[in-house]
Order: sequence, then C-alpha cells, then structure tokens
Amino acid sequence: QSVLTQPPSVSGAPGQRVTISCTGSSSNIGALYDVHWYQQLPGTAPQVLIYGNSNRPSGVPDRFSGSKSGTSASLAITGLQAEDEADYYCQSYDSSLSGVVFGGGTKLTVL
Amino acid sequence: VQLQESGPGLVKPSETLSLTCAVSGYSISSAYFWGWIRQPPGKGLEWIGSIYHSGNTYYNPSLKSRATVSVDTSKTQFSLKLTSVTAADTAMYYCTRHGGMGGSIAYFDYWGQGILVTVSS
Repeated sequence: QSVLTQPPSVSGAPGQRVTISCTGSSSNIGALYDVHWYQQLPGTAPQVLIYGNSNRPSGVPDRFSGSKSGTSASLAITGLQAEDEADYYCQSYDSSLSGVVFGGGTKLTVL
Repeated sequence: VQLQESGPGLVKPSETLSLTCAVSGYSISSAYFWGWIRQPPGKGLEWIGSIYHSGNTYYNPSLKSRATVSVDTSKTQFSLKLTSVTAADTAMYYCTRHGGMGGSIAYFDYWGQGILVTVSS
C-alpha cells in the first residue's frame, strides 16, 4: 500500500487529454511538500517529467503539465501520442515517515 | 553526470546485498543527495535511503534497520548494503541523485541504468 495513491491505469486515444491523480494526506502533499512526476518507458529507468508541482525540465514537451491542490496533485497530458505509453509515478516527502514516498504508479495506454 | 551501478546479480537468502554506484561528471562531496531506489519486478518504486554530501544519511523507516548507504573514501562512488535479504528484496536497484528531501528541488534528476538483484538459493 503506497503512501500516495494513484489509479493503476488510464487510457486515451491519440490526440486526447488524460489526467493522472496522486492523492496524499496532511503529512505529505497537504503539508505543502512538493510533488514530482516521473515517466518510466518499458525497460528503462524513470525520468523526471515535472518537478516542484508544475515545472518542466528542459526537453519535456509542454503537452505535460502538473498541478497541486490540497492533499492531491495531478499530471495532465494533452495531445496524446503513442510514445506516451508508459508508467507514471508521483513522488513527495512525508513528515510522519521522515522520508521520500512514491505513488504506486499508473500505466498509461494509448488506444 | 553519469551513474553506474555494479554488484552481484544473485544473492543468497539471509546474506548481505552490496551494491556500488560509480559517479562521473560530478563530485559527490560538492553537493546534492545520493540515493538508492528499488523496483521489484512488475511493481512500483521504493526509496531505500540517501546520503547527503556532508555525510548525513536518511532511510526508509521500513528498511532502516537493514540498510546502510555510505560514500567511498575516493568520493567518486557510493554504496548500499542491505542485510538479511529475503526473496522480497529481489528487485531492480537504481542509484540516483536528488536535490533535497521535501522541497522543489527534491526530485531525482539523474538515475543509473539499474541492476537486477535476485535473492535465491
């Protein structure tokens, strides 16, 4: 059971918009700790997609965006492409555990 | 910045898992946190622990009693030791760099390619 809760899977057709939620609690996201998002393509190490809730590293397309409100955060992907098919993870910090925590991951399928 | 894990791919139950991460393109002693993350086959990511460039260490409470992260005296590599392993410790192990623990720069910006460690007799 992950400290941060993500839907196991989401799907969408090419060109559509999908969102992935990351739900936490008052000891992590709700405590104003930042949320970061990673994309893991099959057989590769994860790569940061969004940092500090809504910032994109250089090279990440602006089709990817992040937001945070209360005890939850969301990753939005617009203009879905086949190459976006991957696993996505959210990450934050938990003050009760005094450590880094991840969501369980969401598998995105492009139909 | 490049990170490369090395170590045995097979460890016997009850023994100690030992991995090393060679860092190039950046000095470990300059700044940043240097950490280990693992991913069991078909499952999600789990943070194991990290060491700050100053030497302070931080661990996942669920693994704290068994995990040790240290920096080599050469300051060009850091290591993970996990004692009393069981089959549940079978996973891909990644070494990483991150900017902090809870702030806007607390994300993992560089990752090694990962090393699969299987615990089996």
